[in-house]
Amino acid sequence: GDSVTQMEGPVTLSEEAFLTINCTYTATGYPSLFWYVQYPGEGLQLLLKATKADDKGSNKGFEATYRKETTSFHLEKGSVQVSDSAVYFCALKYTGTASKLTFGTGTRLQVTL
Amino acid sequence: KAGVTQTPRYLIKTRGQQVTLSCSPISGHRSVSWYQQTPGQGLQFLFEYFSETQRNKGNFPGRFSGRQFSNSRSEMNVSTLELGDSALYLCASSLELAGNEQFFGPGTRLTVL
Repeated sequence: GDSVTQMEGPVTLSEEAFLTINCTYTATGYPSLFWYVQYPGEGLQLLLKATKADDKGSNKGFEATYRKETTSFHLEKGSVQVSDSAVYFCALKYTGTASKLTFGTGTRLQVTL
Repeated sequence: KAGVTQTPRYLIKTRGQQVTLSCSPISGHRSVSWYQQTPGQGLQFLFEYFSETQRNKGNFPGRFSGRQFSNSRSEMNVSTLELGDSALYLCASSLELAGNEQFFGPGTRLTVL
């Protein structure tokens, strides 16, 4: 079946450091890929998405490129802030069938001053 | 525009009881999906409703059920509660069935004692 694998957390970085959170997927078809962020005590917020191979999603300084050859969708940010501290979830979904998102286990990011 | 609202935010029940959770989608959104989030299993899809009909279902026992009303508001019900049902239950809405843009509510934290 379909699955998403994320790097184990927590990831601890100093402010202004470069961030990479790895995400790889296994899928039988050609899904859309997403990154969601969850702040403490809140629901999930869509951070960015990519719907086909080589698409780059970007938002708020975060970027991820849909790499079909390596089945990856790694999240990057050039300079993190304390306010970026949260849990980040990678997810996949097939277009046009169901709203079902298949999530990774989440990666907690902690940014310190 | 108001976001997705879920009530109640917190709930404590005992084993064997039943519980009903409510979700009001963003105005104009017609699809509502439910997810269960636990530390052990992560985020898992429960079901999706559109036009008052269940359209997709995850791998959960029949104790988990739901419905959708004509105004798109949705409820989910869990009967004969078990300790393992303790979780954060998240609701997500989208404009259409299988929509790529899903907006999550803050969740209902259910604790089963």
